[in-house]
Amino acid sequence: DARVTQTPRDKVTEMGQEVTMRCQPILGHNTVFWYRQTMMQGLELLAYFRNRAPLDDSGMPKDRFSAEMPDATLATLKIQPSEPRDSAVYFCASGSTGLRTDTQYFGPGTRLTVL
Amino acid sequence: DAKTTQPNSMESNEEEPVHLPCNHSTISGTDYIHWYRQLPSQGPEYVIHGLTSNVNNRMASLAIAEDRKSSTLILHRATLRDAAVYYCARTQGGSEKLVFGKGMKLTVNP
Repeated sequence: DARVTQTPRDKVTEMGQEVTMRCQPILGHNTVFWYRQTMMQGLELLAYFRNRAPLDDSGMPKDRFSAEMPDATLATLKIQPSEPRDSAVYFCASGSTGLRTDTQYFGPGTRLTVL
Repeated sequence: DAKTTQPNSMESNEEEPVHLPCNHSTISGTDYIHWYRQLPSQGPEYVIHGLTSNVNNRMASLAIAEDRKSSTLILHRATLRDAAVYYCARTQGGSEKLVFGKGMKLTVNP
C-alpha cells in the first residue's frame, strides 16, 4: 500500500530555531505539494514541485520558508527562524501526471508547535 | 475570492443518502471541482473530482450545476466510517493548485 510519509510527525521547538520537515512522496509520483493547515486559515497551499522543479511558491512566506526537492524521493520544507505563528499542521501531498495532477495523496502531516 | 463555501456541519443517519453542498460562484471554465475528506489526525483523502459533467466513483457521486457555480457531493448510503470533515476545493487559474474551503463536518448517526 503506497503512502506518502512525513517526518517528524510532531515537532515542538522554540521561537528562532530552525525547523526542517521531510516528505517522501509515493514512488513514481512526479508532483509534490506542501500545505499548511490551521484552525483560522484552513488548508493553504504553500508550494509545489513537478519533476523536482518548483512550479509555484507564491503561498509561502519567502523570508523564512524554503522548499526543496534534493531528489525524487525527498521533499523538504524548512523554516528559519521559526515563529509562534508558524504553529500548524504541515501536509505533504504527491500526485502523478503527464500534464496535470488530478488526485493528490496526502501524508499524515507534521504537527509543528513553536513556543 | 477563489475559496469555496460550505455549511459548517451536517448530520445524517446511517444507511441514508447524504447531499453535501458547495458554492464556487467565481469558478472559471477550466477549473476543476474536487472533494476531499479528512479524519481526525490524518491527512485529507481524495473523494472525487469533476469539471462539467456529473461523476460517479465507488466512494460517491458529484453533481455539478449547469452554471458550475455550485456542486453537491452525494454519499448514497452513509456509514459511520463516512463521518469526517469534507472539503470542497477548486483548482485555480487553469493550474493544478487547489484552493480549499473551510470544510464541513459530517456526523453520521447510527
